[in-house]
Amino acid sequence: DVKVTQSSRYLVKRTGEKVFLECVQDMDHENMFWYRQDPGLGLRLIYFSYDVKMKEKGDIPEGYSVSREKKERFSLILESASTNQTSMYLCASSLPSVYGYTFGSGTRLTVV
Amino acid sequence: RKEVEQDPGPFNVPEGATVAFNCTYSNSASQSFFWYRQDCRKEPKLLMSVYSSGNEDGRFTAQLNRASQYISLLIRDSKLSDSATYLCVVKKISNFGNEKLTFGTGTRLTIIP
Repeated sequence: DVKVTQSSRYLVKRTGEKVFLECVQDMDHENMFWYRQDPGLGLRLIYFSYDVKMKEKGDIPEGYSVSREKKERFSLILESASTNQTSMYLCASSLPSVYGYTFGSGTRLTVV
Repeated sequence: RKEVEQDPGPFNVPEGATVAFNCTYSNSASQSFFWYRQDCRKEPKLLMSVYSSGNEDGRFTAQLNRASQYISLLIRDSKLSDSATYLCVVKKISNFGNEKLTFGTGTRLTIIP
């Protein structure tokens, strides 16, 4: 089974901190994605990557950046965490043109 | 207008009943369609793809109407284990060949014993 692992299940950070969310997949997938999920808003795409060192902005990239130095790892960075970034963050991966996305179990981030 | 719209529910349905969910999408360039299932505090998981000809997987039937930009999911003989949030998902391919999934906000279903 494809596995997508997110480094933390729960995280509490202070406003202004730099936050790193890590995601690792073990099936050699080219595509990786970061979403956030909020009640009433559903999943919204933050950033995605189709190859190593390559990144594209999603629908809500403001306040975030990403890094993909290795194929299996896709990191989401909150440069200066704010309370409105309190959310569930979900990482996903897939092969090109294969419909299924496999999601990690999510990181629930609280910014205080 | 949201790109993918769903009735948020909740749908509270007795065990054994049939329940149907609907979804509409706004971008006619959308190419592939899916239903995902998300259990409480868990990640979304692919339930089934949706094809124009309609497709069935056990008690689940999915339909797509491209002309009306409408997708449906039917669950027959509902079980307690069907309680979850069902996400309507649409995929489009950009001019650069990149794919992108857009998720609806989900319809919450509770099966009542």
